[in-house]
Amino acid sequence: EDQVTQSPEALRLQEGESSSLNCSYTVSGLRGLFWYRQDPGKGPEFLFTLYSAGEEKEKERLKATLTKKESFLHITAPKPEDSATYLCAVIGSGTYKYIFGTGTRLKVLA
Amino acid sequence: DGGITQSPKYLFRKEGQNVTLSCEQNLNHDAMYWYRQDPGQGLRLIYYSQIVNDFQKGDIAEGYSVSREKKESFPLTVTSAQKNPTAFYLCASSPRQGAELGAFFGQGTRLTVV
Repeated sequence: EDQVTQSPEALRLQEGESSSLNCSYTVSGLRGLFWYRQDPGKGPEFLFTLYSAGEEKEKERLKATLTKKESFLHITAPKPEDSATYLCAVIGSGTYKYIFGTGTRLKVLA
Repeated sequence: DGGITQSPKYLFRKEGQNVTLSCEQNLNHDAMYWYRQDPGQGLRLIYYSQIVNDFQKGDIAEGYSVSREKKESFPLTVTSAQKNPTAFYLCASSPRQGAELGAFFGQGTRLTVV
């Protein structure tokens, strides 16, 4: 069964304190792994898509990496405006269903 | 601007009533989805549709119904049979031939049973 597990559930960082969020997945024939940012009361906002092990993508203070079993979202020198819930999702072969993790709630303190 | 529009943003329902949540997209996407989000449980798939006049049950379809009469529209009805409907509902769409490009979401509808 396709599955996505995110850790930690919640993370508190001081402004400027870099860290990483983890997304472990089990999927048959990975077609894509996705990272989203979700602010309270809003819909998820698309951040990155990764397709194959070894791939990396960056956007401002965020960098996403992918291995055959997990993905990391690295946050470098975070700012309070980076506070949000970060969701990871995968889609496997032969399906149109996206499987989501439960997210990591990030709080960055000034 | 292309995007997904959900309405209303907030919805209150009395017990025993059916309510319909609207989802419209102008991205020319074939596939559309409805998810339910509860605290600590992530996004759970209610229904999805890959093409007009066709849809499939997701993981938690009981108490919900959908229709897909137009490519742009995928309304969700929360029926009185749904025992715990209070939640945040999210609609999404993706290209059918490019699902690996990811799903794009609307801003959500928060449904509260009063």
